[in-house]
Amino acid sequence: EIVLTQSPGTVSLSPGERATLHCRASRSFGTTYLAWYQHRPGQAPRLLIHGTTSRAPGIPDRFSGSGSGTDFTLTISRLEPEDFAMYFCQQYGNSPRTFGQGTRVDIK
Amino acid sequence: QVTMRESGPALVRPTETLTLTCTFSGFSLKSTGMCVNWVRQPPGKALEWLGRIDWDGAKYYTTSLKSRLSLSTDTSGTQVVLTMINMDPADTATYFCARTHALVGDFFDYWGQGAQVAVSS
Repeated sequence: EIVLTQSPGTVSLSPGERATLHCRASRSFGTTYLAWYQHRPGQAPRLLIHGTTSRAPGIPDRFSGSGSGTDFTLTISRLEPEDFAMYFCQQYGNSPRTFGQGTRVDIK
Repeated sequence: QVTMRESGPALVRPTETLTLTCTFSGFSLKSTGMCVNWVRQPPGKALEWLGRIDWDGAKYYTTSLKSRLSLSTDTSGTQVVLTMINMDPADTATYFCARTHALVGDFFDYWGQGAQVAVSS
């Protein structure tokens, strides 16, 4: 099973700042099979990025994904108030599909 | 507009059977490529994929729960039921249903809000 490790566990930032979230895989699973999700408390998780770099429909362009091999990044270029939430990555290039433990983006 | 919603008991006793229903709209499980998955998240832990039922009736389960877990669907193709036998306190978690599309990739494009299930005597 591929283990995804996200870092940092929590990051405290101010609105307007840039957030850089990392997801590292225990081994390679295919560069294009990584997704990112946003999860606000009490709400359904929301797909942000699939295929490592493709934004889901309706996702603002301040969200971008990059990476290859075992290292992947989600960047939020300028944090809006609604972006303070939990973010987790998921790989779907290998079975079973697995998730990272999440990064919490808090308001500083 | 796709919506998904989980429903079921908030508390089950150890050794009992959990039954959760995922009711969805905006798509039909009878449409080619559509899949409904169950994912859970124990408190403080990562999400764990549990299983999937596909438009053609195929079912897939995570290896560790294969003997305890079953998925079924109704005739209308708008509900999926998760049944897990012999519940244990370690099964305490928030249970989500989520959609994937077999022809696009195994990423979850729509989710429910989740159902919190506690296993305790």
